[in-house]
Amino acid sequence: TQLLEQSPQFLSIQEGENLTVYCNSSSVFSSLQWYRQEPGEGPVLLVTVVTGGEVKKLKRLTFQFGDARKDSSLHITAAQPGDTGLYLCAGARDSGANNLFFGTGTRLTVIP
Amino acid sequence: DTAVSQTPKYLVTQMGNDKSIKCEQNLGHDTMYWYKQDSKKFLKIMFSYNNKELIINETVPNRFSPKSPDKAHLNLHINSLELGDSAVYFCASSQARGITFGSGTRLTVV
Repeated sequence: TQLLEQSPQFLSIQEGENLTVYCNSSSVFSSLQWYRQEPGEGPVLLVTVVTGGEVKKLKRLTFQFGDARKDSSLHITAAQPGDTGLYLCAGARDSGANNLFFGTGTRLTVIP
Repeated sequence: DTAVSQTPKYLVTQMGNDKSIKCEQNLGHDTMYWYKQDSKKFLKIMFSYNNKELIINETVPNRFSPKSPDKAHLNLHINSLELGDSAVYFCASSQARGITFGSGTRLTVV
């Protein structure tokens, strides 16, 4: 069972464009994380959001946790080729990271 | 300097063989994991160990046996390898919410 659905699955855009990736679930999570994975490497944690409605900014990346803590979005402003990668959301049911449920992934390609 | 290191990075083996993947973390984390990423890039937890004790064991065939000799190591042994075991296996560790992953072991069973 896929608990966390991400959309779109694939996204190819030109450098300088904006984009939004969505992570949706019917389950409530205590926190939600976003990771970026590059080929041949493991996922790298970008951010953790904990409070419903929370918005966090990381340079050109804006992360939002839904009010009901069931969904999240990642918005990238003025995308750059270095943003290319596989973006994964992951939800935690408890306060730790012992049992993270990963999303289906969004593969982003930013064309120079 | 590598935080979570796993070896080997690539492993090609025949069906029926037994193989091991080693993992070590130098972050002082209490919890270590094994994750499996399939060909569609879906990442799923297999095992979780906290201070050398097994706390999560997802629906994984008992051909897979993790071993944690100490808090910094979590090795994965796989018996009687099958074609469907081909995937990328990630070791990881955590102290709080965020997980630090190794760079993965690509296992190919032929």
